[in-house]
Amino acid sequence: GQNIDQPTEMTATEGAIVQINCTYQTSGFNGLFWYQQHAGEAPTFLSYNVLDGLEEKGRFSSFLSRSKGYSYLLLKELQMKDSASYLCAVRRGGGNKLTFGTGTQLKVEL
Amino acid sequence: DVKVTQSSRYLVKRTGEKVFLECVQDMDHENMFWYRQDPGLGLRLIYFSYDVKMKEKGDIPEGYSVSREKKERFSLILESASTNQTSMYLCASSPGNQETQYFGPGTRLLVL
Repeated sequence: GQNIDQPTEMTATEGAIVQINCTYQTSGFNGLFWYQQHAGEAPTFLSYNVLDGLEEKGRFSSFLSRSKGYSYLLLKELQMKDSASYLCAVRRGGGNKLTFGTGTQLKVEL
Repeated sequence: DVKVTQSSRYLVKRTGEKVFLECVQDMDHENMFWYRQDPGLGLRLIYFSYDVKMKEKGDIPEGYSVSREKKERFSLILESASTNQTSMYLCASSPGNQETQYFGPGTRLLVL
């Protein structure tokens, strides 16, 4: 079966760093995605990890440990516009099916 | 830029009606997907398609069917709408098996 856990809500201060964790238990793991979704909008792609380690993209970084079934999304120099829901999604098997976590609602405050 | 469009942003239907949700992508993607998104449950896969006229069930296919007659268009059909199908429906497409999915803006369906 598939089980993906991420915190429901987080609050952070503008300019700070925040880490959003995602743990998964899934058969046929074949990569992990992070998406950002603003209220009322479509999810947009942030990052993809298939091998262990850190992937950096500007203010956003994502880390994966396959042996631990663990990933995190790191957001640096937080801005108000980063207030959104962050979705962790795991790809299963050889196709492109994704299983999503329920999302972490991040609120950035002044 | 990849563009995925959905036929309606908001839709109100009555219980028992047949409902068609249309999704079109303009990037010649092979793969297309239909999800529903509900508070506390996240995105759940209803159906997907890897090619024209091909379809496979996702995690929650009950009460839904799909059609893919052309590569760019993937339709979700609610044969007889029920109130528990009130939800946000999101369509997505991707060019290959190792690529991210690109999402449409979503259709918020209310079944009365």
